[in-house]
Amino acid sequence: EAQLVASGGGLVKAGGSLRLSCEGSGFTFSGSSMNWFRQAPGQGLEWVSTISTTGSNIYYSDSVKGRFTISRDNAKNSVFLQMNSLRVEDTARYFCASPSYESNGFYDYWGQGILVTVSP
Amino acid sequence: DIVLTQSPGTLSLSPGERATLSCRASQSVMRYLAWYQQKPGQAPRLLIHDASNRATGIPDRFSGSGSGTEFTLTISSLEPEDFAVYYCQQRRDWPPITFGQGTRLEIK
Repeated sequence: EAQLVASGGGLVKAGGSLRLSCEGSGFTFSGSSMNWFRQAPGQGLEWVSTISTTGSNIYYSDSVKGRFTISRDNAKNSVFLQMNSLRVEDTARYFCASPSYESNGFYDYWGQGILVTVSP
Repeated sequence: DIVLTQSPGTLSLSPGERATLSCRASQSVMRYLAWYQQKPGQAPRLLIHDASNRATGIPDRFSGSGSGTEFTLTISSLEPEDFAVYYCQQRRDWPPITFGQGTRLEIK
């Protein structure tokens, strides 16, 4: 059974940094693009970043570009999100997600979500 | 950016009734549209991909239709566990990947 387990969230002051991790198992991690999404309290889903299978292609939303860095280590079946210069508006639950071979690029594997709280 | 607009914002129905949720795209996404279900405190769950293909393990009471700019998610007969928030998402033109704002399906 495919599983994604995220870690690394917590409380940080504005301007600070956090690093999120997400470890996959039960599927071919190295063959899957990996993605981060977030959901602010009471709000909808927002895409944050995508990294291709080898890490050669990386994309960010405008809201995090220049502050967040996505990376992956296929040997450890892990994807990371380094978040710098955090703002109060970055407060959200962050989800890692990936597609399966059956879902044609849509996301059917999701991590449990990890809470990031940025205080003023 | 492609904007997805979902309607209605909230849908109040009873178990056993039929639910029809809509998603309109600001420009054509062809059939590159998915539907997700999200319950409180949980990650989203993929229901439908490519407009009408049920994801693995999704009951056949869930169906999707549409193409271009107009899409529909239909739940043929609501079960108690179907009351949740539903999101549509496109990947026709990205970045950015975009979602609709969600439709809350609540028990009447």
